[in-house]
Amino acid sequence: DGGITQSPKYLFRKEGQNVTLSCEQNLNHDAMYWYRQDPGQGLRLIYYSQIVNDFQKGDIAEGYSVSREKKESFPLTVTSAQKNPTAFYLCASTLPGAVDEQFFGPGTRLTVL
Amino acid sequence: AQSVTQLDSHVSVSEGTPVLLRCNYSSSYSPSLFWYVQHPNKGLQLLLKYTSAATLVKGINGFEAEFKKSETSFHLTKPSAHMSDAAEYFCVVSDPGTNAGKSTFGDGTTLTVKP
Repeated sequence: DGGITQSPKYLFRKEGQNVTLSCEQNLNHDAMYWYRQDPGQGLRLIYYSQIVNDFQKGDIAEGYSVSREKKESFPLTVTSAQKNPTAFYLCASTLPGAVDEQFFGPGTRLTVL
Repeated sequence: AQSVTQLDSHVSVSEGTPVLLRCNYSSSYSPSLFWYVQHPNKGLQLLLKYTSAATLVKGINGFEAEFKKSETSFHLTKPSAHMSDAAEYFCVVSDPGTNAGKSTFGDGTTLTVKP
């Protein structure tokens, strides 16, 4: 079945540690996105990539980094510079263009202790 | 610039009664509009989308939405609520005039369905 997978589902880290969240898709989509979701708020865009080896900052990129070495993969690293990393992180992908729906992964809940 | 406002943070209905979730948008161009549903600790699933075709859009699970340009609204409705409809709903606008593919999400509306 085609879809997006995120791993792990739950992640616990100590303050000051970097952590990398995985996102893989087999939908053959060019564009991929990372969002952060906090309670009572909508999704906020962290980074997005429209093609391999290219990505752009979203609205809240500070303290995060990404890479896009393969079409299928778009890992997100939460660095120690991110002040409030505890959140629910969602990865999505879409065909190019703003008119298409985004397909979402199941999310990773990151808790920093 | 684009923005979206979901007018109610919480909506509570009884099972079998109509559902109305309200969404207003702002866009410099002719936008694409979406409604997504999210169940607890899950990803988002598309309910329906408007992309400048018919103004009344039908989606999955009996939901529909009407695009009203004069009112800049895209309200989501369902004639009869089911217990399984209890979830978080997000209205989303994508403006083709901005960086392609960037979407703006509303803050969400939590739908509670009472038996």
